[in-house]
Amino acid sequence: IAGITQAPTSQILAAGRRMTLRCTQDMRHNAMYWYRQDLGLGLRLIHYSNTAGTTGKGEVPDGYSVSRANTDDFPLTLASAVPSQTSVYFCASSDNRGANTGELFFGEGSRLTVL
Amino acid sequence: GQNIDQPTEMTATEGAIVQINCTYQTSGFNGLFWYQQHAGEAPTFLSYNVLDGLEEKGRFSSFLSRSKGYSYLLLKELQMKDSASYLCAAMDSNYQLIWGAGTKLIIKP
Repeated sequence: IAGITQAPTSQILAAGRRMTLRCTQDMRHNAMYWYRQDLGLGLRLIHYSNTAGTTGKGEVPDGYSVSRANTDDFPLTLASAVPSQTSVYFCASSDNRGANTGELFFGEGSRLTVL
Repeated sequence: GQNIDQPTEMTATEGAIVQINCTYQTSGFNGLFWYQQHAGEAPTFLSYNVLDGLEEKGRFSSFLSRSKGYSYLLLKELQMKDSASYLCAAMDSNYQLIWGAGTKLIIKP
């Protein structure tokens, strides 16, 4: 089934540990995004990539890094997790080319708890 | 600054009509999106408006007034499965989405 796959679905992590959230899409979309969603707040953009080989910082990039080695994969790494990074993380992709509206397709989310 | 405002929670009755409002302030404007998000699930796309007016898609319609910085999502013939959060997002001049916190819609029998 075409779409976006995130892993892990859920993770409990000790503060200070390194963690990578994986994201893979098979729709050949050019753009990919990482958001975090916290209660009472809108989705906040962490990092994005408009095309393979390029990345950019979003609204809340500190403490996170990404890479885009190919079209399909867009991993998000927390170098040294802190409790404030406890959140639900959504990966998304879109096709911004031509007449496309840039509609986002989301993965099912990764629930991360940092203790 | 950039900002999206929408009500936190609304309650409606099965079979009725509900209108969820959204006001936005962005640096430039490249469209207004509505997404639906059921509890514990990913957001899914509902509608996109870039020109003023009403876009109808089945039981759901979305309206945009660019001069007022205002949009609404209209849901008709409400069903229990419509219980969800509805997220409003405006695309700014850099083609980045600015998201509201979402409106939790509770449907009662």
